[in-house]
Order: sequence, then C-alpha cells, then structure tokens
Amino acid sequence: DIQMTQSPSSLSASVGDRITITCRASQGIRDDLAWYQQKPGKAPKRLIYGASSLQSGVPSRFSGSGSGTEFTLTISSLQPEDFATYYCLQHNSYPRTFGQGTKLEI
Amino acid sequence: EIQLVESGGDLAQPGGSLRLSCAASGFTFSDYWMSWVRQAPGKGLEWVANIKEDGTQKNYVDSVKGRFTISRDNAKNSLYLQTNGLRVEDTAMYFCARGGHRPDPWGRGTLVTVSS
Repeated sequence: DIQMTQSPSSLSASVGDRITITCRASQGIRDDLAWYQQKPGKAPKRLIYGASSLQSGVPSRFSGSGSGTEFTLTISSLQPEDFATYYCLQHNSYPRTFGQGTKLEI
Repeated sequence: EIQLVESGGDLAQPGGSLRLSCAASGFTFSDYWMSWVRQAPGKGLEWVANIKEDGTQKNYVDSVKGRFTISRDNAKNSLYLQTNGLRVEDTAMYFCARGGHRPDPWGRGTLVTVSS
C-alpha cells in the first residue's frame, strides 16, 4: 500500500497568513493526488485534483503543486472560512489512501 | 444539483450486518464510478471501496475484503454497501461519493455504530 504522510498534523495561523501543507507518498504517484477540505460535521469537499488543478468554484487563494512523491497545498491568504481539516488522497493505486489530515486552527 | 443521500446506518452488534444505500440524483449515475469512504469518530478518512460504472470492477481496502460488498443498481440510481461480519472498528460515518479516483461530491454520510 502507498503511505501518505501529511504534515503538519495541526497548524495554528491567523487570517491573512500564507500556509503550506505537505504530503509525501511512500512511492511515486505521478500527479495522481487530490486535496480535500472538511469542516466539522460536514462532508469533505475537493479543492485540488491532478496535484495542481483547481476545482471549479474554489477560490484562487488555494493552490497545489508537486509530482512524484512530494506535494504541497498552499493557501495564500487565509480567510476565516478556511479554518478546517485538510486531507490529501492518492489515486495512483489500490487501495486509495488518504493522509492523516492537517487541522488548521486560529 | 447533484445530490447523494446515504441511509441504512444504525447500531449493530459485532458480527451483525447492515446494508447501506446511497441515492443519487442530478447527474447520469451510470456514467460514473462510485466510492464509499468512512470516517471513524474523531479520526481521519479511510477509503473503503469503489465500483465501475457497469459494476464489473470492484475494489476494496484489505480490512473489509470478504466482509463488505459494494454494488449498484443503475436503473434505480443507487449505490449499496452490504456490510457483514461487522466489527467494533467498523464504527464510522460512511460517505458515498461520485467517482472512483478522486471522488467528488460526497453525501452527508450515514452513521454505523458497532457495539454490544
């Protein structure tokens, strides 16, 4: 199985900050990676697919990069509604595997 | 508007069974792979299974192989997850989602609690 190691597991930040979350794959997954945002009590929502393509309707302050084994999700200027938990997902091989999540807190 | 509505979650005893359902609307269901993903209380996301558009391919995480069965009825725009031999560690919110690779959108989930 491909292990997805996400860091940090939690992050304290302020409105207006720029933050970066990293996901490392235990083996190369090309760009078969998506990023999701989950707010408490809600279903996850896809933000990024193909490692760097922005999902329609998602604000441009979100961006993704990387290929192979190292990937990043960047939020350029945090807004109050961005405080949530973020997950990466690899879909290069089975079983699909998620990172353990990054909780973004004020 | 795309909607995915899960149902069937309940309290079950260890060793018991539940059939989860997901009713889809707002898109051509038969054109898409579908997935189940679960989340134990206070924990992260775990991919469970997915199924091809015509039902001919199914994939599972090892921990549910031989116990859970994913299926679909394209005439009814519905996805199912038959869960047998339930274990305490299967306690989770179960989400259905459109797509087999990078699923989106997701339903709101149905809660399965396994406890004696």
